[in-house]
Amino acid sequence: GNSVTQMEGPVTLSEEAFLTINCTYTATGYPSLFWYVQYPGEGLQLLLKATKADDKGSNKGFEATYRKETTSFHLEKGSVQVSDSAVYFCALLGATSYGKLTFGQGTILTVHP
Amino acid sequence: EPEVTQTPSHQVTQMGQEVILRCVPISNHLYFYWYRQILGQKVEFLVSFYNNEISEKSEIFDDQFSVERPDGSNFTLKIRSTKLEDSAMYFCASSEGGTVHEQFFGPGTRLTVL
Repeated sequence: GNSVTQMEGPVTLSEEAFLTINCTYTATGYPSLFWYVQYPGEGLQLLLKATKADDKGSNKGFEATYRKETTSFHLEKGSVQVSDSAVYFCALLGATSYGKLTFGQGTILTVHP
Repeated sequence: EPEVTQTPSHQVTQMGQEVILRCVPISNHLYFYWYRQILGQKVEFLVSFYNNEISEKSEIFDDQFSVERPDGSNFTLKIRSTKLEDSAMYFCASSEGGTVHEQFFGPGTRLTVL
């Protein structure tokens, strides 16, 4: 079946540092890939998405590129802010799914001033 | 901006009792979902619902679970006889559909089974 693996957390950075959160997946066919973010006390919010190989999703300074050859969708941001502190989830939608998202375990990001 | 809402935010129940978790999806959305997250574990898919029937469900979604859209706005998850291991955060989501199924999530209901 489909699966998503995220890098172990938590991740602690200083403001303006570079962020990478690794995400790899296993799936048949051509899934769609997503990053969701969860701020304290809130639900999951879609951060960015990519629906085919080599697509780059971007939003709020975050980027991720759908790499089929390495089955990866790593999240990056060049300069993090304190307000980026949250839990980040990588997720996959199978090519033949009716909407079932498969999530990674989540990575807690804490950014210090 | 339209959003998915869920009630209650926290539900405490005794083992063996029935619970109903409620969700109001975004009004023009056609697909509805329930997920759960046991503390410290991954977010897990439970069920998807379209056109008044279940379109996909996971192994977790056994006979103890049911979903319903009783009117034009609510989407409910019922657990018939709760177990300790049902304690989790339950998220409702909705989407317009299409090929990507971009899903919008509610804030969750924390269910505690004692």
